[in-house]
Amino acid sequence: GENVEQHPSTLSVQEGDSAVIKCTYSDSASNYFPWYKQELGKGPQLIIDIRSNVGEKKDQRIAVTLNKTAKHFSLHITETQPEDSAVYFCAANPNSGYALNFGKGTSLLVTP
Amino acid sequence: DARVTQTPRHKVTEMGQEVTMRCQPILGHNTVFWYRQTMMQGLELLAYFRNRAPLDDSGMPKDRFSAEMPDATLATLKIQPSEPRDSAVYFCASGFNSPLHFGNGTRLTVT
Repeated sequence: GENVEQHPSTLSVQEGDSAVIKCTYSDSASNYFPWYKQELGKGPQLIIDIRSNVGEKKDQRIAVTLNKTAKHFSLHITETQPEDSAVYFCAANPNSGYALNFGKGTSLLVTP
Repeated sequence: DARVTQTPRHKVTEMGQEVTMRCQPILGHNTVFWYRQTMMQGLELLAYFRNRAPLDDSGMPKDRFSAEMPDATLATLKIQPSEPRDSAVYFCASGFNSPLHFGNGTRLTVT
């Protein structure tokens, strides 16, 4: 099955700085890689996703890059704001709509 | 804004009692998942359904857990008998050829 590793487990940055979270996966058949943000007391919410036929995707301050050869993908948040503080999860699965395997999460703290 | 609805939001019960958690997936979504979240294990897949048929429940302790979809608007997860180690947040998620949408979970505490 798919094994997803996520680093770091905690990340503290100052407001305005960039944050980078990295994930690796084991199953070369995986072709869909979403990122979720979880705030306290809520369920994970999708913030961006990427498919294996694309190397990079950007949505305002958030970007995701994918290296299929190395089997790793990363989340980049620029110009961080205090409201970006949350737990972020990466995930992988063979096809959208099937079960996601999640990384263990990164707790991001953005300090003013 | 369509959303996955889970009830109850919180449940405290004594060891040995039956617990039933309910989920209303987003209308039109044909795939429903149950995940369990703990500090130690993170998000673990328990079971999932497609078009109401169970596709995979290998993550679920079969002796005490059961998952069903009586109809397209309701998914249930039952634990009988419950044990303290079942204490966790249980999430339901749904999708249809699209990213998964999660509910806000049921926080279960078994004393």
